[in-house]
Amino acid sequence: GEDVEQSLFLSVREGDSSVINCTYTDSSSTYLYWYKQEPGAGLQLLTYIFSNMDMKQDQRLTVLLNKKDKHLSLRIADTQTGDSAIYFCAESSVDMRFGAGTRLTVKP
Amino acid sequence: ETGVTQTPRHLVMGMTNKKSLKCEQHLGHNAMYWYKQSAKKPLELMFVYSLEERVENNSVPSRFSPECPNSSHLFLHLHTLQPEDSALYLCASSQAARVSEQYFGPGTRLTVT
Repeated sequence: GEDVEQSLFLSVREGDSSVINCTYTDSSSTYLYWYKQEPGAGLQLLTYIFSNMDMKQDQRLTVLLNKKDKHLSLRIADTQTGDSAIYFCAESSVDMRFGAGTRLTVKP
Repeated sequence: ETGVTQTPRHLVMGMTNKKSLKCEQHLGHNAMYWYKQSAKKPLELMFVYSLEERVENNSVPSRFSPECPNSSHLFLHLHTLQPEDSALYLCASSQAARVSEQYFGPGTRLTVT
């Protein structure tokens, strides 16, 4: 089946930039998403990008899409301790598929 | 209430019990979903409802029984569960089934003893 892959862990220092990477296999993906999950909570939609775009910026968040390599990244500028959470990449073509999530730890 | 709400937030049940999880969306969406989130596993899509019709059932055991009485409410009826069913059960909704962004509830943490 089609897969969405992410590295499981990322640790950064407060104030640094974080870059979370994701690869997917379905070339017919129409939208790609980033969700954030804090402890004990559901998934919160952070941002999404249409497959014909290569970049989207929203305040501290920058999404980059390389459709040729099927690579998606989320950059968080000036990372804060409140950004510590699990970040899920997801793609949709017929169904939405999620990666396993990247746990971001922000150290003071 | 706003967004997607789920009750209860926590549930402990024995293997012989029957219980139900409830989800309500206040977003005017037409599609609703049940997901299972287990430790160290990707999110598993269980059921998809579009305009109250079930459009997907991903090989889920019959001990899980969904019900969608209207486009705002979704239930998951549970009976004779197994310990491996312990997980976070997440409900989500979207404007249209599958292709539009999904909004999630906070989940129900289920423990089967």
